[in-house]
Amino acid sequence: LAKTTQPISMDSYEGQEVNITCSHNNIATNDYITWYQQFPSQGPRFIIQGYKTKVTNEVASLFIPADRKSSTLSLPRVSLSDTAVYYCLVSPNFGNEKLTFGTGTRLTIIP
Amino acid sequence: KAGVTQTPRYLIKTRGQQVTLSCSPISGHRSVSWYQQTPGQGLQFLFEYFSETQRNKGNFPGRFSGRQFSNSRSEMNVSTLELGDSALYLCASRTGQTSYEQYFGPGTRLTVT
Repeated sequence: LAKTTQPISMDSYEGQEVNITCSHNNIATNDYITWYQQFPSQGPRFIIQGYKTKVTNEVASLFIPADRKSSTLSLPRVSLSDTAVYYCLVSPNFGNEKLTFGTGTRLTIIP
Repeated sequence: KAGVTQTPRYLIKTRGQQVTLSCSPISGHRSVSWYQQTPGQGLQFLFEYFSETQRNKGNFPGRFSGRQFSNSRSEMNVSTLELGDSALYLCASRTGQTSYEQYFGPGTRLTVT
Protein backbone atom coordinates (compact mmCIF):
# COMPACT_ATOMS: atom_id res chain seq x y z
CA LEU A 1 0.00 0.00 0.00
CA ALA A 2 1.21 3.50 -0.80
CA LYS A 3 2.23 5.46 2.27
CA THR A 4 0.77 8.87 2.92
CA THR A 5 2.12 12.00 4.53
CA GLN A 6 -0.13 14.63 6.08
CA PRO A 7 0.47 17.62 8.34
CA ILE A 8 0.16 16.59 11.97
CA SER A 9 -2.08 19.50 12.89
CA MET A 10 -3.79 22.57 11.48
CA ASP A 11 -5.75 25.46 12.95
CA SER A 12 -8.37 27.51 11.17
CA TYR A 13 -11.03 30.05 12.03
CA GLU A 14 -14.73 29.44 11.71
CA GLY A 15 -16.19 30.29 8.34
CA GLN A 16 -12.96 29.81 6.42
CA GLU A 17 -12.22 27.20 3.79
CA VAL A 18 -9.73 24.59 4.97
CA ASN A 19 -7.48 22.62 2.67
CA ILE A 20 -5.62 19.57 3.95
CA THR A 21 -3.03 18.14 1.61
CA CYS A 22 -1.91 14.54 1.58
CA SER A 23 1.23 13.36 -0.18
CA HIS A 24 1.31 9.87 -1.70
CA ASN A 25 4.29 9.71 -4.03
CA ASN A 26 4.15 5.94 -4.54
CA ILE A 27 0.50 5.72 -5.49
CA ALA A 28 -0.23 2.85 -7.87
CA THR A 29 -2.38 2.91 -10.97
CA ASN A 30 -5.26 1.09 -9.33
CA ASP A 31 -5.14 3.01 -6.04
CA TYR A 32 -7.98 5.23 -4.90
CA ILE A 33 -7.73 8.07 -2.40
CA THR A 34 -10.12 8.08 0.54
CA TRP A 35 -10.57 10.51 3.40
CA TYR A 36 -12.06 9.78 6.80
CA GLN A 37 -12.99 12.06 9.69
CA GLN A 38 -12.79 11.03 13.33
CA PHE A 39 -14.15 12.74 16.42
CA PRO A 40 -12.80 11.83 19.88
CA SER A 41 -13.95 8.45 21.17
CA GLN A 42 -15.84 7.69 17.96
CA GLY A 43 -15.11 5.56 14.95
CA PRO A 44 -13.88 7.25 11.75
CA ARG A 45 -16.48 8.40 9.28
CA PHE A 46 -16.08 8.19 5.50
CA ILE A 47 -15.95 11.64 3.92
CA ILE A 48 -15.02 11.28 0.28
CA GLN A 49 -13.20 9.10 -2.22
CA GLY A 50 -11.69 9.83 -5.60
CA TYR A 51 -9.38 8.58 -8.32
CA LYS A 52 -8.48 11.65 -10.34
CA THR A 53 -9.40 15.30 -10.97
CA LYS A 54 -12.12 16.56 -8.66
CA VAL A 55 -14.84 14.96 -6.61
CA THR A 56 -17.44 16.89 -4.66
CA ASN A 57 -20.16 15.85 -2.27
CA GLU A 58 -22.32 17.62 0.26
CA VAL A 59 -19.53 17.65 2.83
CA ALA A 60 -16.24 18.25 1.03
CA SER A 61 -14.31 18.39 -2.22
CA LEU A 62 -11.31 16.32 -3.17
CA PHE A 63 -8.78 17.66 -5.64
CA ILE A 64 -6.35 15.25 -7.28
CA PRO A 65 -3.75 16.55 -9.76
CA ALA A 66 -2.91 14.70 -12.93
CA ASP A 67 0.14 12.93 -11.47
CA ARG A 68 -1.95 11.78 -8.48
CA LYS A 69 1.04 12.06 -6.15
CA SER A 70 -0.93 14.25 -3.80
CA SER A 71 -4.51 15.13 -3.00
CA THR A 72 -6.24 17.96 -1.20
CA LEU A 73 -9.32 17.68 0.95
CA SER A 74 -11.24 20.95 0.95
CA LEU A 75 -13.77 21.76 3.64
CA PRO A 76 -15.86 24.84 2.81
CA ARG A 77 -16.79 27.32 5.53
CA VAL A 78 -15.75 25.24 8.51
CA SER A 79 -17.50 25.39 11.87
CA LEU A 80 -16.47 24.34 15.35
CA SER A 81 -18.03 20.94 14.74
CA ASP A 82 -15.42 20.24 12.05
CA THR A 83 -12.75 19.97 14.73
CA ALA A 84 -11.55 16.39 14.28
CA VAL A 85 -8.75 14.21 12.98
CA TYR A 86 -8.73 13.71 9.21
CA TYR A 87 -7.13 10.63 7.68
CA CYS A 88 -6.00 10.21 4.09
CA LEU A 89 -5.80 6.62 2.82
CA VAL A 90 -4.55 5.24 -0.44
CA SER A 91 -5.48 1.73 -1.52
CA PRO A 92 -6.83 -0.31 -4.39
CA ASN A 93 -10.59 -0.27 -4.57
CA PHE A 94 -10.73 -4.02 -4.34
CA GLY A 95 -12.46 -5.98 -1.67
CA ASN A 96 -9.47 -7.92 -0.42
CA GLU A 97 -7.06 -5.17 0.55
CA LYS A 98 -6.56 -4.08 4.11
CA LEU A 99 -6.62 -0.41 4.98
CA THR A 100 -3.77 1.33 6.71
CA PHE A 101 -4.49 4.55 8.56
CA GLY A 102 -1.67 7.02 9.01
CA THR A 103 -1.34 9.49 11.83
CA GLY A 104 -3.91 11.85 10.36
CA THR A 105 -4.23 15.62 10.60
CA ARG A 106 -5.70 17.09 13.77
CA LEU A 107 -7.80 20.04 12.62
CA THR A 108 -8.79 22.59 15.25
CA ILE A 109 -11.37 25.23 14.41
CA ILE A 110 -11.04 28.43 16.37
CA PRO A 111 -14.13 30.54 17.10
CA LYS B 1 -30.51 1.08 7.89
CA ALA B 2 -29.13 0.60 11.36
CA GLY B 3 -25.46 1.40 11.76
CA VAL B 4 -22.66 -0.79 13.02
CA THR B 5 -23.16 -1.73 16.64
CA GLN B 6 -20.57 -2.87 19.12
CA THR B 7 -21.00 -4.38 22.53
CA PRO B 8 -20.07 -3.74 25.19
CA ARG B 9 -19.19 -0.07 24.92
CA TYR B 10 -16.95 -0.08 27.96
CA LEU B 11 -15.08 -2.86 29.67
CA ILE B 12 -12.63 -3.14 32.53
CA LYS B 13 -10.53 -6.26 32.87
CA THR B 14 -7.49 -7.29 34.82
CA ARG B 15 -4.21 -8.57 33.46
CA GLY B 16 -4.26 -12.22 32.48
CA GLN B 17 -7.98 -12.33 31.82
CA GLN B 18 -9.52 -12.75 28.42
CA VAL B 19 -12.19 -10.67 26.72
CA THR B 20 -14.64 -11.07 23.86
CA LEU B 21 -15.98 -8.10 21.94
CA SER B 22 -18.92 -8.24 19.58
CA CYS B 23 -19.75 -6.39 16.38
CA SER B 24 -22.93 -6.38 14.32
CA PRO B 25 -22.38 -4.98 10.83
CA ILE B 26 -24.79 -3.05 8.69
CA SER B 27 -27.35 -5.33 7.12
CA GLY B 28 -26.05 -6.70 3.83
CA HIS B 29 -22.41 -6.03 4.61
CA ARG B 30 -20.33 -9.16 4.46
CA SER B 31 -16.98 -7.70 5.48
CA VAL B 32 -16.07 -6.85 9.05
CA SER B 33 -12.73 -5.36 10.02
CA TRP B 34 -11.32 -4.76 13.48
CA TYR B 35 -8.97 -2.00 14.52
CA GLN B 36 -7.17 -1.07 17.70
CA GLN B 37 -6.71 2.59 18.49
CA THR B 38 -4.32 3.91 21.11
CA PRO B 39 -2.88 7.39 21.63
CA GLY B 40 0.62 6.13 20.95
CA GLN B 41 0.07 3.85 17.95
CA GLY B 42 -2.97 5.39 16.34
CA LEU B 43 -5.40 3.26 14.36
CA GLN B 44 -3.99 -0.18 13.69
CA PHE B 45 -5.60 -2.87 11.58
CA LEU B 46 -6.18 -6.16 13.41
CA PHE B 47 -7.99 -8.38 10.91
CA GLU B 48 -10.80 -8.58 8.41
CA TYR B 49 -13.42 -11.24 7.94
CA PHE B 50 -15.43 -11.77 4.80
CA SER B 51 -18.07 -14.48 4.53
CA GLU B 52 -16.83 -16.19 7.71
CA THR B 53 -13.22 -16.35 6.47
CA GLN B 54 -10.32 -14.25 7.64
CA ARG B 55 -9.22 -12.34 4.57
CA ASN B 56 -6.52 -10.10 5.99
CA LYS B 57 -4.50 -9.91 9.17
CA GLY B 58 -2.46 -7.17 10.77
CA ASN B 59 0.71 -7.49 12.82
CA PHE B 60 -0.69 -8.49 16.16
CA PRO B 61 0.24 -11.46 18.37
CA GLY B 62 -1.79 -14.63 18.36
CA ARG B 63 -3.52 -13.55 21.56
CA PHE B 64 -5.78 -11.53 19.29
CA SER B 65 -8.23 -13.65 17.37
CA GLY B 66 -11.58 -13.28 15.74
CA ARG B 67 -14.35 -15.02 13.96
CA GLN B 68 -17.38 -14.25 11.85
CA PHE B 69 -20.72 -15.97 11.92
CA SER B 70 -23.02 -16.82 9.04
CA ASN B 71 -25.09 -13.70 9.73
CA SER B 72 -21.90 -11.61 9.33
CA ARG B 73 -21.75 -10.72 13.02
CA SER B 74 -18.21 -10.85 14.28
CA GLU B 75 -16.42 -11.32 17.55
CA MET B 76 -12.85 -10.66 18.52
CA ASN B 77 -11.13 -12.25 21.46
CA VAL B 78 -8.05 -11.19 23.35
CA SER B 79 -6.55 -13.73 25.68
CA THR B 80 -4.07 -13.20 28.50
CA LEU B 81 -4.69 -9.48 28.62
CA GLU B 82 -1.77 -7.10 29.09
CA LEU B 83 -1.82 -3.49 30.25
CA GLY B 84 -0.87 -2.44 26.72
CA ASP B 85 -4.09 -3.90 25.36
CA SER B 86 -5.99 -0.97 26.84
CA ALA B 87 -7.43 0.75 23.81
CA LEU B 88 -10.48 1.66 21.81
CA TYR B 89 -11.41 -1.32 19.65
CA LEU B 90 -13.26 -0.38 16.52
CA CYS B 91 -15.22 -2.52 14.16
CA ALA B 92 -16.03 -1.49 10.61
CA SER B 93 -18.23 -3.06 8.00
CA ARG B 94 -18.56 -2.69 4.25
CA THR B 95 -20.08 -4.61 1.43
CA GLY B 96 -16.73 -6.25 0.84
CA GLN B 97 -17.01 -6.45 -2.90
CA THR B 98 -15.53 -3.36 -4.48
CA SER B 99 -16.04 -0.34 -2.31
CA TYR B 100 -13.63 0.80 0.33
CA GLU B 101 -16.27 2.90 2.02
CA GLN B 102 -16.18 1.51 5.51
CA TYR B 103 -18.71 2.22 8.22
CA PHE B 104 -17.33 2.23 11.72
CA GLY B 105 -19.07 1.43 14.96
CA PRO B 106 -18.73 3.51 18.12
CA GLY B 107 -16.05 1.24 19.51
CA THR B 108 -15.46 -0.66 22.73
CA ARG B 109 -13.26 1.07 25.26
CA LEU B 110 -11.21 -1.64 26.98
CA THR B 111 -9.25 -0.83 30.10
CA VAL B 112 -6.85 -3.40 31.48
CA THR B 113 -5.74 -2.91 35.09
